[in-house]
Amino acid sequence: NAGVMQNPRHLVRRRGQEARLRCSPMKGHSHVYWYRQLPEEGLKFMVYLQKENIIDESGMPKERFSAEFPKEGPSILRIQQVVRGDSAAYFCASSATSGSRTGELFFGEGSRLTVL
Amino acid sequence: AQSVAQPEDQVNVAEGNPLTVKCTYSVSGNPYLFWYVQYPNRGLQFLLKYITGDNLVKGSYGFEAEFNKSQTSFHLKKPSALVRDSALYFCAVRDIGNNDMRFGAGTRLTVKP
Repeated sequence: NAGVMQNPRHLVRRRGQEARLRCSPMKGHSHVYWYRQLPEEGLKFMVYLQKENIIDESGMPKERFSAEFPKEGPSILRIQQVVRGDSAAYFCASSATSGSRTGELFFGEGSRLTVL
Repeated sequence: AQSVAQPEDQVNVAEGNPLTVKCTYSVSGNPYLFWYVQYPNRGLQFLLKYITGDNLVKGSYGFEAEFNKSQTSFHLKKPSALVRDSALYFCAVRDIGNNDMRFGAGTRLTVKP
């Protein structure tokens, strides 16, 4: 029973390049959350998606960042024209249903982006 | 808006001593409260949660937490700390009307032999 799978675990990009981070939720989970963690800081909510829908993107920067969760395949967090300030660990989490506020989130191991 | 505060960046305890990691919350309705642990270069692991019922919640690895509505707190505790408990601990909250789970800034627990 695989958990939340994220890849790549580590990604290095030069300024101006694009970064694509992928997340496959736990089997049976249809809700995906993306969080960003800066060094020695807590997790900041970015976006919440269900299959084919963005439900809440209130934590996403207005420019360069986008997320999707297609009907088939993993959820993708895309960062265009990366800058050094984008260097962080990006965590994906999934849950079975959003309607249940009581449910815990299950986290992946994270993707660590370094922008040179 | 929902939020949590972890007033201590760092907690140091000796192995075998009791530990407490503090968390206070602010929500508009009934809170759903969670504790997670993060080991170096790993994702977050769920420890325990409070939804309703008994104020004392027991979780993984011998941890427990006490929900205190009057003080709006949900402190994490363990009667006897182990060196392997050294990690980053996050308190989190959800309430009705919000899609996401909000996390505190984290508390780094160091247990010394």
